[in-house]
Amino acid sequence: AQSVTQPDIHITVSEGASLELRCNYSYGATPYLFWYVQSPGQGLQLLLKYFSGDTLVQGIKGFEAEFKRSQSSFNLRKPSVHWSDAAEYFCAVGASNYQLIWGAGTKLIIKP
Amino acid sequence: DAGVIQSPRHEVTEMGQEVTLRCKPISGHNSLFWYRQTMMRGLELLIYFNNNVPIDDSGMPEDRFSAKMPNASFSTLKIQPSEPRDSAVYFCASRATGNQPQHFGDGTRLSIL
Repeated sequence: AQSVTQPDIHITVSEGASLELRCNYSYGATPYLFWYVQSPGQGLQLLLKYFSGDTLVQGIKGFEAEFKRSQSSFNLRKPSVHWSDAAEYFCAVGASNYQLIWGAGTKLIIKP
Repeated sequence: DAGVIQSPRHEVTEMGQEVTLRCKPISGHNSLFWYRQTMMRGLELLIYFNNNVPIDDSGMPEDRFSAKMPNASFSTLKIQPSEPRDSAVYFCASRATGNQPQHFGDGTRLSIL
């Protein structure tokens, strides 16, 4: 069955520290992959997307993600987090020409 | 460019009342999605329109829910009659074509008392 797993419900990181949020997917074909961020009271904002080509994808706000087909992973990274990065992060896989399969989200908490 | 615009941002009403949520997609986008987000169930796709035509409404919970898209720049999601279990944040999203990313509005936080 098609699925997206974000194994960490919460992650706490000190401001200035590096960040990696995990995303694993189960999908038969070559996936279209997305990371979205949701700040409190806001909608979901696209951080980055992977369709094909270079497996290291750069996004907005200094985020990047790496597609690893052998590990069925699409982990999100940032070298140095800022307090404004505190939010919930969602990984999604494009399962058809319109369906997205969503992960449950990872809430990022920033320690001062 | 203006993003996806939803109204109202917040709605509080008593059970049994009719609720209408509104969405204006990004100009030029031909796909529109309505989602519901709750703590328990996460993000659920309710209905998907392509070129103003409902393509997949399998996520609409029951007959109390209906959605329309009378033209390319406007869609509504209606709940009649509303029930407390409908309380959630409802998002509208639009997309250009194919597998382009979906762009979300800021949502309507609905509370049914």
